[in-house]
Amino acid sequence: GESVGLHLPTLSVQEGDNSIINCAYSNSASDYFIWYKQESGKGPQFIIDIRSNMDKRQGQRVTVLLNKTVKHLSLQIAATQPGDSAVYFCAENGEFSGGYNKLIFGAGTRLAVHP
Amino acid sequence: NAGVTQTPKFQVLKTGQSMTLQCAQDMNHEYMSWYRQDPGMGLRLIHYSVGAGITDQGEVPNGYNVSRSTTEDFPLRLLSAAPSQTSVYFCASSPPGVEKLFFGSGTQLSVL
Repeated sequence: GESVGLHLPTLSVQEGDNSIINCAYSNSASDYFIWYKQESGKGPQFIIDIRSNMDKRQGQRVTVLLNKTVKHLSLQIAATQPGDSAVYFCAENGEFSGGYNKLIFGAGTRLAVHP
Repeated sequence: NAGVTQTPKFQVLKTGQSMTLQCAQDMNHEYMSWYRQDPGMGLRLIHYSVGAGITDQGEVPNGYNVSRSTTEDFPLRLLSAAPSQTSVYFCASSPPGVEKLFFGSGTQLSVL
C-alpha cells in the first residue's frame, strides 16, 4: 500500500473549523515559497505561493502567511472540509542553476478532517 | 490536457534488476526533474534537466541515471536496483522563469 505520510506530524480538525499548518524554512535568502497538497496515491498539487516581498497572500479558502524574521510560513484553511484531508508540503526556492531555482521541500504535515 | 504523465504506476523489482521509469510532459516545459519521496523525509531531488541534452545531479543521484533527448521526455534509469531504492518517485516540470513545479502522479517502486 501507500507508504507516503508515515511518521508525519498530524493535525486533526473538525469539519468546519479553520486549520493552520506551520512550516519552518532554513534559508534566510529564500525569496519564494510554495504550498502543495498531496492526496493519497496522487502527486503533489499546487495550492498557493508567496514571494518574500509579501507577508500574506489569499486564495480560495486558503491564506499563506510569511514571517521572514523567524523564517516561518503558515497555511490557513478556512472552513475545513473532508476533501482537505491530505499531506501538505511547504517548499522554498533553493540553489539557482541553469535559470531555475530548485525547490527544497519540507517533510510534510498530515491534515485529518473529522466529521 | 495530460500534463505530466508517469509510467508505470506500480513496479516490483528484484535486487540487481534494471528498469526505466518513464516521464513525459506535453506542456513544452524546459525544466524537468525527478524526486523520490520517503516516509518523513519529504521530496528529495534526484536529477534535473534545464533542457534537451542538459542534465545535472540533485541531492540524491547515486544509483540513478537520466537523459534528455527531447523536451517532452525525461526517463529515470535504475541500472541495478537496491532495496534502498524502494520509494515513491515523482517527475515534475516547469516553464522558464517559473518556480512552481507541476507533478506527475508518481511511481511506487518496491525492490525486494
